[in-house]
Amino acid sequence: QSALTQPASVSGSPGQSLTISCTGTSSDVGGYDDVSWYQQHPGKAPKLLISGVFNRPSGISNRFSGSKSDNTASLTISGLQAEDEADYYCSSCTSSNTLVFGTGTRVTVL
Amino acid sequence: QVQLLESGGGVVLPGRSLRLSCAASGITFRTHVTHWVRQAPGKGLEWVASIWYEGSNKFYAASVKGRFSISRDDFASTMYLQMSSLTANDTALYYCAISGSFWTSFDSWGQGALVTVSS
Repeated sequence: QSALTQPASVSGSPGQSLTISCTGTSSDVGGYDDVSWYQQHPGKAPKLLISGVFNRPSGISNRFSGSKSDNTASLTISGLQAEDEADYYCSSCTSSNTLVFGTGTRVTVL
Repeated sequence: QVQLLESGGGVVLPGRSLRLSCAASGITFRTHVTHWVRQAPGKGLEWVASIWYEGSNKFYAASVKGRFSISRDDFASTMYLQMSSLTANDTALYYCAISGSFWTSFDSWGQGALVTVSS
């Protein structure tokens, strides 16, 4: 199972919106509404932002939103803040009953 | 508040075995799917294995299948990862994680246990 494809890096200015893509196949992202997104600051454990494509756990800011179209899922960060600078990963289940992560995206706040 | 505490990490020789433990608190452990995820130094996240309630289902990444074994003790709220035939490629920070509403999401994470495979 190959890792899902994410852009290596994206950047934006405070207050702007940015979107991170996560591309897979019909055997993972496209086949299930089971995409999750995680934020990881340096030296810290990952933190769940989105599950089930668009569901935000309690305590997660509504500046984070998720969507999916065909084989590509997306995470949008609105009103970008300095604290959003981190690595972001998507994940999905697969037709083989395994789980797979994306390659990861480094978000830089300019 | 959910707390996950990994233990058992360390330095191990290639070809040897090691067992990681993950103790959970603040959650009804037996009703949640649990997982191991690893991260090699400077690299991305890699899913390793998952185990369902009462150990009814176990799933493994291709990279560890046949070498690693996941298990759980619901009475002790503890999960384990038995690792054998270790290679340098298994060097990583190993996180335990627990799912919530979606078995495929990692809702809570431990702080990780570092496993270094080196001669």
